[in-house]
Formats: sequence, C-alpha cells, structure tokens
Amino acid sequence: GQNIDQPTEMTATEGAIVQINCTYQTSGFNGLFWYQQHAGEAPTFLSYNVLDGLEEKGRFSSFLSRSKGYSYLLLKELQMKDSASYLCAVRDSNYQLIWGAGTKLIIKP
Amino acid sequence: ETGVTQTPRHLVMGMTNKKSLKCEQHLGHNAMYWYKQSAKKPLELMFVYNFKEQTENNSVPSRFSPECPNSSHLFLHLHTLQPEDSALYLCASSQDLEATYEQYFGPGTRLTVT
Repeated sequence: GQNIDQPTEMTATEGAIVQINCTYQTSGFNGLFWYQQHAGEAPTFLSYNVLDGLEEKGRFSSFLSRSKGYSYLLLKELQMKDSASYLCAVRDSNYQLIWGAGTKLIIKP
Repeated sequence: ETGVTQTPRHLVMGMTNKKSLKCEQHLGHNAMYWYKQSAKKPLELMFVYNFKEQTENNSVPSRFSPECPNSSHLFLHLHTLQPEDSALYLCASSQDLEATYEQYFGPGTRLTVT
C-alpha cells in the first residue's frame, strides 16, 4: 500500500529552527508537496520538490532524497504565526496526491 | 471574490436530509477536487474533475454525488448520510492534472451529521 509518515506533533521555541520530516512509500513518484494549514483554514502551498536537493524559499526550505523516500521541511527564525499543521503529499505514478496526516507545530514564546 | 470559495462554511444535517455543498474557483483552473478531512487523518481524495469530466471516484459511497456544470463550479450533493461522514469537506482546484501544478484550497465546509 501507499504510505506517508510524519510526526503527529512537534513543539519549538520562537526564533529557533525546526525540521519536520516526511517519509513515503508510494507506487511511483512525481513530486512532493508541503502545505501549511492553520486551524480552521484552508491548506496553502509552501513548496514542491521533484529533484533531489534543497529548495529554499525565504525562512522555509524543503529537502528531498528520492532514493531514501525522504523529505524534510525546515523552518528558520520561527514566529508565533508559524503555529499550524504542515502536510506532506506525494504525487504517485497515476498523478494522484497521497497525503500524510500532518504535523501539528506548536510554537512557544 | 478571489481564489476558491465554499458555501456553506458550516452545516448540521440529520441522516434523512438532503443538502448540497458548493465550490467556486475564480482562478481560471481546469481541474477541481473534493477532499474529506477528518481529525488526525490524511486528506482523502473523493472526486476529481478535469475540464468538467470526472476522472477519479475513489470508492466513495453513493450517498455522495458530485456535479460539475462548468470548470468554475463544483457541487457535492449529500443524502442519507451517516454520523461517520461528519468531517471538513475541502474543495481544491489546479491549473490541470499535471504534476507540477499545486492545488489551491477553499476554506472548507464543516459538516456535522446528527
């Protein structure tokens, strides 16, 4: 079966750095997405990786290793507004998005 | 209006009721999606439409019936639902089904079945 694993919950301190991991086992691979979802709101797109390596976008970076079936989202200089759930999703060989259950990130002052 | 809008935002219905969820996208996209989001579970893809044609139906019970009259509008018709159908129903759109295009989500309809 297809599976996306990410931690259920993480806690970090304002101003610090946090890394959210995602491992996947899917039938084929056509890219990996990270989305942010604040409580009661719509998921919003953060990043897309299809080749190995690091993609940097401001305070957020996303890394992919296709051989290991592994990605991480790195958030720097954490702000209180970064408290949200972070969803990892992989597009499989049929171009369907397979979603993880999300990681709830709690930022403390 | 911009982006993807959904109405109603909240809905409480009995198991014998019939109701409809509405989604509208103002982005000129060709693909639209219905997802179910339950607490602490992954997003479940329910239906996919591309250029108004249904391309996916992921074993969704017949008590959920989608309708896509044009590329901008998507409906989810509900009838004789069960309490386990209570969840957040999210609509999304993308330029088309190609791999590189991200999906844009609406705010969702919080459905409670009593």
